[in-house]
Amino acid sequence: NAGVTQTPKFRVLKTGQSMTLLCAQDMNHEYMYWYRQDPGMGLRLIHYSVGEGTTAKGEVPDGYNVSRLKKQNFLLGLESAAPSQTSVYFCASRWWLSTDTQYFGPGTRLTVL
Amino acid sequence: KQEVTQIPAALSVPEGENLVLNCSFTDSAIYNLQWFRQDPGKGLTSLLLIQSSQREQTSGRLNASLDKSSGRSTLYIAASQPGDSATYLCAVRPQGGSEKLVFGKGTKLTVNP
Repeated sequence: NAGVTQTPKFRVLKTGQSMTLLCAQDMNHEYMYWYRQDPGMGLRLIHYSVGEGTTAKGEVPDGYNVSRLKKQNFLLGLESAAPSQTSVYFCASRWWLSTDTQYFGPGTRLTVL
Repeated sequence: KQEVTQIPAALSVPEGENLVLNCSFTDSAIYNLQWFRQDPGKGLTSLLLIQSSQREQTSGRLNASLDKSSGRSTLYIAASQPGDSATYLCAVRPQGGSEKLVFGKGTKLTVNP
């Protein structure tokens, strides 16, 4: 049972390049989330999914797209990276009850030059 | 708009000391409050989850309390150890159908041997 895993762990992009971050969970969780963490800002929700085939916007969705084609995977895409997207990205997942805790992945550190 | 504040931002204590971390939130309409631990360069680990109907939760040397009416929570760590050194984050899940966790900026704890 690996929990929540994220790929890659580190990445450096040039402005305008695109990339996809992969999140995978093996706990059969319904809900999945993408957050970004910036110094002095705390974690902020980018997008989330309440089940396979669904996605919804969070607090800071601009510049990102997501897909949840399989229940265990949640992809975060950057179509045209900008320096403002330099951050640490965390994926999380939880079961379906509103009382459930969220389980977090180890994070992806992204730098956009 | 829900806001979460954690005081102090940083705390340094000698090993063996009992300590309290504080978290306050502006809107009492929450499903639950969660305390997380984050080690440098790592993801978040859930420590304690307190439902809105509960007053406290305990796990080992950790005890978290919740006073929803006053918008406060405390995390008590007994007999602190150097291994407790980390950043501690508080997060609330607002009511009203939101999937967003609102995080504080954290308290960085250093326990000196």
